[in-house]
Amino acid sequence: DGGITQSPKYLFRKEGQNVTLSCEQNLNHDAMYWYRQDPGQGLRLIYYSQIVNDFQKGDIAEGYSVSREKKESFPLTVTSAQKNPTAFYLCASSITGPTNEQFFGPGTRLTVL
Amino acid sequence: DQQVKQNSPSLSVQEGRISILNCDYTNSMFDYFLWYKKYPAEGPTFLISISSIKDKNEDGRFTVFLNKSAKHLSLHIVPSQPGDSAVYFCAIRAPPQFYFGTGTSLTVIP
Repeated sequence: DGGITQSPKYLFRKEGQNVTLSCEQNLNHDAMYWYRQDPGQGLRLIYYSQIVNDFQKGDIAEGYSVSREKKESFPLTVTSAQKNPTAFYLCASSITGPTNEQFFGPGTRLTVL
Repeated sequence: DQQVKQNSPSLSVQEGRISILNCDYTNSMFDYFLWYKKYPAEGPTFLISISSIKDKNEDGRFTVFLNKSAKHLSLHIVPSQPGDSAVYFCAIRAPPQFYFGTGTSLTVIP
């Protein structure tokens, strides 16, 4: 059963702590993405990766870091430098090509106390 | 600067009637347009798409219209059903990125 998994669904952390959000896909997609959603706002791109061992900053990369050591995995670390980390985080993947849609995971709700 | 705008944050429609969701964009270089549906606390799911060489694409009850001269995209749902109640995002591809609108919350009243 192909898809994207994100874990955990809910995550609580104390202010000042780094936290890593997991994203795994078994769709054999080359491209993977991380978005952040805040109330009343659209999805804003944090980082994306089109191929293993390569990734690019999106519109709001400050305070975040990623790695892409395997095609299936694209973990996101929310660092203590991120000023307002409480949000709903969505991971997506897609094939690369002219008519590619993104497939999304179920999301992780991060709350920083 | 927001490249994709959905100016209506919410829309209520009676069951069986037509729902029309709208989206405006700024960059004429965009080549592929998509609509996603999202339920609370879940990831968006792909609904329908259209490429810039077409002006209409239909899939069952869902039709997407593209007006390139007006830089306007719309999604028509006919007939609307209570299960269609969700937040709808338009998304526009400017390779390698996708840009998303802020979403329109659709409520279909039984």
